[in-house]
Amino acid sequence: AQSVTQPDIHITVSEGASLELRCNYSYGATPYLFWYVQSPGQGLQLLLKYFSGDTLVQGIKGFEAEFKRSQSSFNLRKPSVHWSDAAEYFCAVLPIMEYGNKLVFGAGTILRVKS
Amino acid sequence: DSGVTQTPKHLITATGQRVTLRCSPRSGDLSVYWYQQSLDQGLQFLIQYYNGEERAKGNILERFSAQQFPDLHSELNLSSLELGDSALYFCASSESGTAVKNIQYFGAGTRLSVL
Repeated sequence: AQSVTQPDIHITVSEGASLELRCNYSYGATPYLFWYVQSPGQGLQLLLKYFSGDTLVQGIKGFEAEFKRSQSSFNLRKPSVHWSDAAEYFCAVLPIMEYGNKLVFGAGTILRVKS
Repeated sequence: DSGVTQTPKHLITATGQRVTLRCSPRSGDLSVYWYQQSLDQGLQFLIQYYNGEERAKGNILERFSAQQFPDLHSELNLSSLELGDSALYFCASSESGTAVKNIQYFGAGTRLSVL
């Protein structure tokens, strides 16, 4: 079965520091990959997606992610974190199934930003 | 704003009761998805509808049912509610009914509290 692992439950970074959130997936082929962010009391907002092609993808709010097939990883990065980035981040895969399109989510990583 | 509208935002009810959660997809989107977010299970896919027909089913309890109407809005019905059904229920929509370039946009969720 497909699965997504986000090894870090919590991460704390200083404002202005760089950020990397890890995501590993288990799937027989290359799935479609996504990062979503959930701010307190809010819904899930799509940060970026990977379908194919260039393995470095750019998203909103200055985020980027790199797909590494050899490591089955899709890590999220930001060069300089802002206090408003404090939220929970979810990595998700969309297995390319014949029928039906369910997203499989990781457990999430809570990002805290200290000033 | 994702364009996906969920009502109500909050719902408080008692065990054994039945509730209906409503979702209006983004304009032009034909697929609607329901997800449940709970502390112990994380984000779990429940069910997908495409243009009025059930397309995929996840770990949805038999006490739960959904439908998509001709105007493409969807309802998730939860009956014989138990304490463990307390969760945040998300609706998402996508233009596509297949995995190809499938991007799911999420609503703000309905928080269900069963007392």
